[in-house]
Amino acid sequence: DTAVSQTPKYLVTQMGNDKSIKCEQNLGHDTMYWYKQDSKKFLKIMFSYNNKELIINETVPNRFSPKSPDKAHLNLHINSLELGDSAVYFCASSQAGDGGKLFFGSGTQLSVL
Amino acid sequence: AQSVTQLGSHVSVSEGALVLLRCNYSSSVPPYLFWYVQYPNQGLQLLLKYTSAATLVKGINGFEAEFKKSETSFHLTKPSAHMSDAAEYFCAVSGGINFGNEKLTFGTGTRLTIIP
Repeated sequence: DTAVSQTPKYLVTQMGNDKSIKCEQNLGHDTMYWYKQDSKKFLKIMFSYNNKELIINETVPNRFSPKSPDKAHLNLHINSLELGDSAVYFCASSQAGDGGKLFFGSGTQLSVL
Repeated sequence: AQSVTQLGSHVSVSEGALVLLRCNYSSSVPPYLFWYVQYPNQGLQLLLKYTSAATLVKGINGFEAEFKKSETSFHLTKPSAHMSDAAEYFCAVSGGINFGNEKLTFGTGTRLTIIP
């Protein structure tokens, strides 16, 4: 069983479209995250949720809206996609108090044309 | 605020040679430091972490790192490189491990290539 799974693995879409990425973890962790990795491999946190509550919300455009229906799931919806949104998006989870040990999914490669 | 700087975006070593990947940190509070590895087309996985206990930290796959406060460094080493070590390595820092707020700031990564 994959610990942190994201779908889809690849997403190719046109500018202006709306798309979602789904993430599920079966580790029983309390906290989930979305990270964005750009073409230069720079990795930056976007959001974190703890038990369905938004904890971290970095300076991310309002077009990005995370949703956590339960603590095992954290989805990312993106409205009005722009060329600059092209990146690899990683979902991750951790157990609160586990010393910053994050478990990452394998990523979603988003290409906006 | 915390940040890390990884010196060298690409490092090449021969198989069997010493691996040394450099990381310097900046933190206004005692830092927690991490090394993560990313294999091609995979997510990151934790190699090791420093959380204010022993300054020499041992991780998986034979890697270790030493926290040096005087040099604000947390370099990653492995005595003998293996072909399977070829990957991207990320240093990361956190200002603390808080409930639901493990905000890690990552460096820009170092690609390690192993020469047969």
